[in-house]
Amino acid sequence: EVQLVESGGGLVQPGGSLRLSCAASGFTFSSYEMNWVRQAPGKGLEWVSYISSSGSTIYYADSVKGRFTISRDNAKNSLYLQMNSLRAEDTAVYYCAREGDCGGDCNFDYWGQGTLVTVSS
Amino acid sequence: QAVLTQPSSLSASPGASASLTCTLRSGINVGTYRIYWYQQKPGSPPQYLLRYKSDSDKQQGSGVPSRFSGSKDASANAGILLISGLQSEDEADYYCMIWHSSAYWVFGGGTKLTVL
Repeated sequence: EVQLVESGGGLVQPGGSLRLSCAASGFTFSSYEMNWVRQAPGKGLEWVSYISSSGSTIYYADSVKGRFTISRDNAKNSLYLQMNSLRAEDTAVYYCAREGDCGGDCNFDYWGQGTLVTVSS
Repeated sequence: QAVLTQPSSLSASPGASASLTCTLRSGINVGTYRIYWYQQKPGSPPQYLLRYKSDSDKQQGSGVPSRFSGSKDASANAGILLISGLQSEDEADYYCMIWHSSAYWVFGGGTKLTVL
């Protein structure tokens, strides 16, 4: 059974840092592209970052570029999001999502349950 | 102007059909893109429903009823999620998504579907 379990969320002050983790199981993690998606309270979905299966290709949304860093450890079946210089507008539930394998761009077929990040003084 | 625009809300009656639109920004041709649709219920992560680019490039999500289908309206430059035979359990938020070369993955703002 495919499982994605996020952790690392919590309350952090503006300007602070946080590192999110996503533990993957039930599939060959090293074969799949992964993404982080966030959802502010009561708001819609916002894509945050993408990483290729090998980690060699990375993309960021403009809203987080230069502040967030995505990475993965295929030996540990884990995805990470290092978040620095956090702002109030970064407050959201952060989901990790697996990108399916269907040739070209593909759907996010599995999602974690999310971890809440609250940026507040 | 947002890349993808969805109406914020839609209401429909049980048993009826609901057509949810996802309009692409002017200059972005809907015919070029795979449009992905997700359903999200309160307190849960989104769930993949289907993908539609054309009749030869489409995919139904695993376990997703055939009541959910995708199409496009080229004249409106929009993707459409059609839900037929509406049931109370279909009440949820629905999001469209595309891969855009300059913005990477992009979500629409979502449509809250009320079944009443």
